[in-house]
Amino acid sequence: AQKVTQAQTEISVVEKEDVTLDCVYETRDTTYYLFWYKQPPSGELVFLIRRNSFDEQNEISGRYSWNFQKSTSSFNFTITASQVVDSAVYFCALSEVEAAGNKLTFGGGTRVLVKP
Amino acid sequence: DTGVSQNPRHKITKRGQNVTFRCDPISEHNRLYWYRQTLGQGPEFLTYFQNEAQLEKSRLLSDRFSAERPKGSFSTLEIQRTEQGDSAMYLCASSQTGFYSGNTIYFGEGSWLTVV
Repeated sequence: AQKVTQAQTEISVVEKEDVTLDCVYETRDTTYYLFWYKQPPSGELVFLIRRNSFDEQNEISGRYSWNFQKSTSSFNFTITASQVVDSAVYFCALSEVEAAGNKLTFGGGTRVLVKP
Repeated sequence: DTGVSQNPRHKITKRGQNVTFRCDPISEHNRLYWYRQTLGQGPEFLTYFQNEAQLEKSRLLSDRFSAERPKGSFSTLEIQRTEQGDSAMYLCASSQTGFYSGNTIYFGEGSWLTVV
């Protein structure tokens, strides 16, 4: 069975601080995808990034960066120089293989509060 | 380029009434998913369609729930004889199939249901 664990339920930082969100996953599949989504107070889930299990290169996009380590089954997310607009709940998710419909299993989410 | 569209965005209904939610996926996407999210939790998978075929239903989807995607385009999720425990946000998502499509799953803004 697939499982995603986000151990941090809430993180509070002051603007311009960096914040790292942890994500640990479990799967028996050798091919899978990992996602991060942002859910602002308005409720919609905003896609941030997708990585496949064959690509362990870290990625940077603006103030966002991701660290994928297959050896520890982790896919951590860092926001550099946080801003108030980054306040949201962030979800890590694991996708099953294509044949199983690519259904997503979500973690419980980490609420990030960025104070001015 | 329109995203996944859901309506109504909010619905308050009395216990025992039926409600229906509609989802319009991204136009070229052949997979459509329904998820449910309760307060403080991550989304949970309910069901998914590939074109018009409903390929999987979660055990969360009781007999009071029915989903359709009659022409492989929009989908409806109906809840009959609503109960207070059905109060949640119902999220629709869509994606393309195939490895090279990337399998990125995009979500709508969700439909909030409150059963009183």
